[in-house]
Amino acid sequence: TQLLEQSPQFLSIQEGENLTVYCNSSSVFSSLQWYRQEPGEGPVLLVTVVTGGEVKKLKRLTFQFGDARKDSSLHITAAQPGDTGLYLCAGANSGYALNFGKGTSLLVTP
Amino acid sequence: KAGVTQTPRYLIKTRGQQVTLSCSPISGHRSVSWYQQTPGQGLQFLFEYFSETQRNKGNFPGRFSGRQFSNSRSEMNVSTLELGDSALYLCASSFENTGELFFGEGSRLTVL
Repeated sequence: TQLLEQSPQFLSIQEGENLTVYCNSSSVFSSLQWYRQEPGEGPVLLVTVVTGGEVKKLKRLTFQFGDARKDSSLHITAAQPGDTGLYLCAGANSGYALNFGKGTSLLVTP
Repeated sequence: KAGVTQTPRYLIKTRGQQVTLSCSPISGHRSVSWYQQTPGQGLQFLFEYFSETQRNKGNFPGRFSGRQFSNSRSEMNVSTLELGDSALYLCASSFENTGELFFGEGSRLTVL
């Protein structure tokens, strides 16, 4: 059972466009993390959000945690080819394990 | 400082064989987790170790096992390999299980 559903699964856009990726669950998480994974590499942590309603910005990336701590979104402004990769959300609760979504595969073409 | 190191990076096995994968965490990190990544299922949690103790285990059959040594290095073993075990096996370490994982590049296992 996939606790976290990510949408869209695939996204192909041109450089300069904006996009939003969603991560939804029926479960409440104590925190939620976003990772980016490039081909042939392991995921790299981008951000951790902890408080319901929290918004964090990382340059052109804006992350939001839902008020009920069940969902999150990632918005990228003016996407660049270097943003290409697999974006994964992961929810944390007790038990020392992260529950990952299947990811959104993003392709940004020049 | 050095990142998480996983060996081997690639390996090919046949059905019925067994495999051992190794993971060296970031210096100072005592928590090591293992995940299986496949296109169909995404990242699935296998197990987590802290100070040589398994604290949590995912929903995988008993053919999947692991251990952690006193220097925090970890190994996982898969016995009686099946075709469906073909996957990227990712190891991640964290400091005192802060929840923020630092992943290695993974070991890509192909079972023929």
